[in-house]
Amino acid sequence: NAGVTQTPKFQVLKTGQSMTLQCAQDMNHEYMSWYRQDPGMGLRLIHYSVGAGITDQGEVPNGYNVSRSTTEDFPLRLLSAAPSQTSVYFCASSYSPGGVDMNTEAFFGQGTRLTVV
Amino acid sequence: QQPVQSPQAVILREGEDAVINCSSSKALYSVHWYRQKHGEAPVFLMILLKGGEQKGHDKISASFNEKKQQSSLYLTASQLSYSGTYFCGTESGTLFGNEKLTFGTGTRLTIIP
Repeated sequence: NAGVTQTPKFQVLKTGQSMTLQCAQDMNHEYMSWYRQDPGMGLRLIHYSVGAGITDQGEVPNGYNVSRSTTEDFPLRLLSAAPSQTSVYFCASSYSPGGVDMNTEAFFGQGTRLTVV
Repeated sequence: QQPVQSPQAVILREGEDAVINCSSSKALYSVHWYRQKHGEAPVFLMILLKGGEQKGHDKISASFNEKKQQSSLYLTASQLSYSGTYFCGTESGTLFGNEKLTFGTGTRLTIIP
């Protein structure tokens, strides 16, 4: 049971390049989300998904795209990288049991450190 | 809008107590607490649902005052392993739960021997 796996761990991009950050979970979680972490800013939500085929924007979605074709995978695409997107990116997943106790813990991947030059 | 955490940073000696506060301008359904060590992923500590319930395990506990839209994390008799950055995550009134967690900016806790 690997949990939440993010690849790559480190990446350097040139301004204007595009790339996809991969996130996969093997816990059959319905909810998945992407956060970016910058010094002094905490974790800010980029996009999230409540199930395959359903995604929505978070606080800072500009410059990023997501899709969710399977329960397991939730890739984050940078369309045209900018230096302002230099950050540490975390993917998280959580389980929705339904019923009364709907809130469960979020499991985080180990992060991708992205530098845009 | 991100919840506000206070203090931003605190330094304690081993064995001292700490309180970290989290407040929101929105009505809250739940509050999560996570701890992150340097260079690592955030790790779950606990969830509090609206109802004012206080939770805890070992020497870390938390309370949630839904009327004031605030939560507090209490660390008693702190240990060196408690060092890290603590984040509260809030979820406001959606039907499906915590798919849209909004995190605070964090409180850096340093424990010295």
